[in-house]
Amino acid sequence: DGGITQSPKYLFRKEGQNVTLSCEQNLNHDAMYWYRQDPGQGLRLIYYSQIVNDFQKGDIAEGYSVSREKKESFPLTVTSAQKNPTAFYLCASRTGVAEAFFGQGTRLTVV
Amino acid sequence: AQKITQTQPGMFVQEKEAVTLDCTYDTSDPSYGLFWYKQPSSGEMIFLIYQGSYDQQNATEGRYSLNFQKARKSANLVISASQLGDSAMYFCAMGSHNAGGTSYGKLTFGQGTILTVHP
Repeated sequence: DGGITQSPKYLFRKEGQNVTLSCEQNLNHDAMYWYRQDPGQGLRLIYYSQIVNDFQKGDIAEGYSVSREKKESFPLTVTSAQKNPTAFYLCASRTGVAEAFFGQGTRLTVV
Repeated sequence: AQKITQTQPGMFVQEKEAVTLDCTYDTSDPSYGLFWYKQPSSGEMIFLIYQGSYDQQNATEGRYSLNFQKARKSANLVISASQLGDSAMYFCAMGSHNAGGTSYGKLTFGQGTILTVHP
């Protein structure tokens, strides 16, 4: 079945550590997005990419980095520069004007 | 720049009643799409309904309908015959696209409305 897969579901990070969240889609979608969601809040855009080897900063890109080396994959690295990384991270993909499909999310906690 | 505003942090409705969730938007793009998503406590994002900016008819999907008023830049979601399972967070979102049907730019979400359905 086609879909979008995020891993891991839960992730724990120590202070000062970089961690990478995985996002893979087999829907042949061109655009991919990363969002951050804090408890009871909306989705804030971190980065997005509309084509391989190209990506743009969203509204809260500081402390995060991404790559788009393959159409299917859009990993997000949470760097040590992100001072408050504990949140729920959602990856999405989209093509044309259709709706975005979302992964199941990764819950990141700083320990 | 795109902006989505959902002014109702929380809404309550009685089971089997209808409820309207408000959404206003701002964009300078001539062509765009508006979406509504449901997010239960599990965190998954469930797509509900889509409205294109050039669509003449308001979108409907089962118990969901979108009250699109382009001049007022509003895209309210109407849920008819509410069910207990409708209790969740609801998000309005917008994405721009060109005349050729290709999306570009950001996909922007509002802050969400928590809907609680009472028995």
